[in-house]
Amino acid sequence: KAGVTQTPRYLIKTRGQQVTLSCSPISGHRSVSWYQQTPGQGLQFLFEYFSETQRNKGNFPGRFSGRQFSNSRSEMNVSTLELGDSALYLCASRGGSTDTQYFGPGTRLTVL
Amino acid sequence: QKEVEQDPGPLSVPEGAIVSLNCTYSNSAFQYFMWYRQYSRKGPELLMYTYSSGNKEDGRFTAQVDKSSKYISLFIRDSQPSDSATYLCAMSYQNSGGSNYKLTFGKGTLLTVNP
Repeated sequence: KAGVTQTPRYLIKTRGQQVTLSCSPISGHRSVSWYQQTPGQGLQFLFEYFSETQRNKGNFPGRFSGRQFSNSRSEMNVSTLELGDSALYLCASRGGSTDTQYFGPGTRLTVL
Repeated sequence: QKEVEQDPGPLSVPEGAIVSLNCTYSNSAFQYFMWYRQYSRKGPELLMYTYSSGNKEDGRFTAQVDKSSKYISLFIRDSQPSDSATYLCAMSYQNSGGSNYKLTFGKGTLLTVNP
């Protein structure tokens, strides 16, 4: 079974721009969660989507948004980028009997 | 007080050593406990998953959970240079919808196993 895939793997943007990241979950998994990883804060939960609906949201500003499509693929959007948004953005899919989360390789976003 | 505390290290050990990694937590609602391994420039990889107090063994890895002390551990026996990575503890609980949706992570411990 193919794992979680994320595109692009690397991205460089400037302040004020917006960015869209994509995640394809493991086949059959319907839940997709997004996390931000920085050296200072570690891994922090952004939001979770299940069956095209956002079910849960972490403590991030409204500039961070997402959506999920009928095939369970998910996108995350960050508008009006700030320097502090530079991070590794990880997507995790969940499903199966153990209900555990499996992570993709991440998208490394650098904001200049 | 952060919900999950983990010593960031770094931890450096010789090949073959037994490694002990630990996390403490403050939220007694946590029911599920995981250990992830993250290599440089990669996503976290699930190593161990437990949902009760006690020990769980998988090859060279043993996960230990003590809910009364709010303390979890990961032991690595016969450590190898390929075990060099950041180890992250993670925890979660079921929300009202019954889903184990949000992982709360420790900051991670950087481990180096020297040949």
